[in-house]
Amino acid sequence: SQTIHQWPATLVQPVGSPLSLECTVEGTSNPNLYWYRQAAGRGLQLLFYSVGIGQISSEVPQNLSASRPQDRQFILSSKKLLLSDSGFYLCAWSAGFTPQHFGDGTRLSIL
Amino acid sequence: ILNVEQSPQSLHVQEGDSTNFTCSFPSSNFYALHWYRWETAKSPEALFVMTLNGDEKKKGRISATLNTKEGYSYLYIKGSQPEDSATYLCASSYGGSQGNLIFGKGTKLSVKP
Repeated sequence: SQTIHQWPATLVQPVGSPLSLECTVEGTSNPNLYWYRQAAGRGLQLLFYSVGIGQISSEVPQNLSASRPQDRQFILSSKKLLLSDSGFYLCAWSAGFTPQHFGDGTRLSIL
Repeated sequence: ILNVEQSPQSLHVQEGDSTNFTCSFPSSNFYALHWYRWETAKSPEALFVMTLNGDEKKKGRISATLNTKEGYSYLYIKGSQPEDSATYLCASSYGGSQGNLIFGKGTKLSVKP
């Protein structure tokens, strides 16, 4: 069966520090991979999605970047975090486009 | 900007009550409508994916309908149980960007025993 791992579960970072969140999927090949964020009082927003290694699409302009160095690995990064980057980050995968299966999420607090 | 609206924002019901909530979405170039169940401290769990106008899906006591022409979907829970307490998310996607789910803010359901 397929599983998705996302870490860390919680993270507290100072403003201006770098960020790296990692997501890996097991039990499937060539998944579509997604990064979402839920900011306080808002719905889930798609940040990035990838249909293959090295292929990244960004849905909104932001202070973040994503990379897919391996088929089942998706990384969310920032060189310098802003206060507005605080939120709950979810990684998801799908075979095709639906449905999407989510990881347990990372709660990121910026101080 | 595509916007998905869910109502109500929150709902408190007694065990045994039946309930329903609404998801409204832009109907132009529609591809699919998703419902997810998100329990506290867990990851969102896919309930239904619907694509065709008039689709109805059922999973135990939970069912959903879809009207793509007017852009709405209803989620029904029959005989609510405390374990149904969760946030129910809907998301729509559109042709040309089928992987981009536009999420509503969710309806938070609390079922009291």
